[in-house]
Amino acid sequence: GQQVMQIPQYQHVQEGEDFTTYCNSSTTLSNIQWYKQRPGGHPVFLIQLVKSGEVKKQKRLTFQFGEAKKNSSLHITATQTTDVGTYFCATAGSARQLTFGSGTQLTVLP
Amino acid sequence: NAGVTQTPKFQVLKTGQSMTLQCAQDMNHEYMSWYRQDPGMGLRLIHYSVGAGITDQGEVPNGYNVSRSTTEDFPLRLLSAAPSQTSVYFCASSYYPGGNEQFFGPGTRLTVL
Repeated sequence: GQQVMQIPQYQHVQEGEDFTTYCNSSTTLSNIQWYKQRPGGHPVFLIQLVKSGEVKKQKRLTFQFGEAKKNSSLHITATQTTDVGTYFCATAGSARQLTFGSGTQLTVLP
Repeated sequence: NAGVTQTPKFQVLKTGQSMTLQCAQDMNHEYMSWYRQDPGMGLRLIHYSVGAGITDQGEVPNGYNVSRSTTEDFPLRLLSAAPSQTSVYFCASSYYPGGNEQFFGPGTRLTVL
């Protein structure tokens, strides 16, 4: 099935700094979804991207889908302690099942 | 709406024991799935169902059984627990598979000794 590689695995930032996580594939993706999981919690859907070059914003979060639809990124501007958690990308393959990346664990230092 | 509910929250089993993890949703979603989450490995699909009476295997189905007799419920059965099945298990549902938001339950933390 589809494979997505996510980097970095861990990221520590000072509160107020920016943060970016990347999701890469060797094949063209039909869509990309992003989820956030707080420590001890469950994944929560953030957004879905389907179009080449698509950019969507949610307050301080900016999501991008690459022109070739082989990569995606999530950028957080001016991190806050409430941004702490693990961010996952996921994609639906030909069988329409979601495959998740391994996640980026974000720590925000006050 | 309660969304997706899972029971129990925590469970400790001995090797060889069997048990059923319960999952229910009240959103009338056709698609339901089970994932396991292990450190550094993201979420891996165990089994899924596209509607009552229809189930199929995901990426890591060995050692697990599922059934879907109603739209609401999708239990996961561990036939003979092994230490390798120590994990956090999440149930999820959505209107349809693939390109659609998945709603996750709170998870079951399972330890097999």
